[in-house]
Amino acid sequence: DGGITQSPKYLFRKEGQNVTLSCEQNLNHDAMYWYRQDPGQGLRLIYYSQIVNDFQKGDIAEGYSVSREKKESFPLTVTSAQKNPTAFYLCASTSGANTGELFFGEGSRLTVL
Amino acid sequence: AQSVAQPEDQVNVAEGNPLTVKCTYSVSGNPYLFWYVQYPNRGLQFLLKYITGDNLVKGSYGFEAEFNKSQTSFHLKKPSALVSDSALYFCAVRDTGGFKTIFGAGTRLFVKA
Repeated sequence: DGGITQSPKYLFRKEGQNVTLSCEQNLNHDAMYWYRQDPGQGLRLIYYSQIVNDFQKGDIAEGYSVSREKKESFPLTVTSAQKNPTAFYLCASTSGANTGELFFGEGSRLTVL
Repeated sequence: AQSVAQPEDQVNVAEGNPLTVKCTYSVSGNPYLFWYVQYPNRGLQFLLKYITGDNLVKGSYGFEAEFNKSQTSFHLKKPSALVSDSALYFCAVRDTGGFKTIFGAGTRLFVKA
């Protein structure tokens, strides 16, 4: 079945460590997104990518980095520069036409101890 | 800049009664508008979207939404609520010129039996 796979589902890290969250899709979608979800703040856009080897900063990109070397993959690195990294992270994708809805993964919950 | 406002943190409704979840938006051009639903610790699921045409759009699970350009609103409605509709609902907007998709803070819907 087609879909988006995020891993790991739960992740615990010590303060100061970089962490990479995986996002893979087999929907043949061109555009991919990373959102951060915190209680009461909804989803905030971190980065998005419309095509391979290109990505744009969202509203809260500081302390995060991404790469888009393959169409299927859009990993997110939470760096030690991110001041408050504990959150629920959601990856999404959509087709090449910008009228399409987003398809979401099941999320990764990062807890920094 | 794009923005979405969901003015109610929580909506309470009795089963069988109609429900409305409010959303207003701001974009520089014409909007594409979306509604999603989220169940605990899960990714978001698409409900419906407005792209163009009829201002009343119908979606999954009996939900519908009305696009009002003059009021810049896109309220989600359902004629008869079910207990199983209890969840977190998100409105999202995308400018027709691009792929950047912004979400509101979410509205928690409680349907009481």
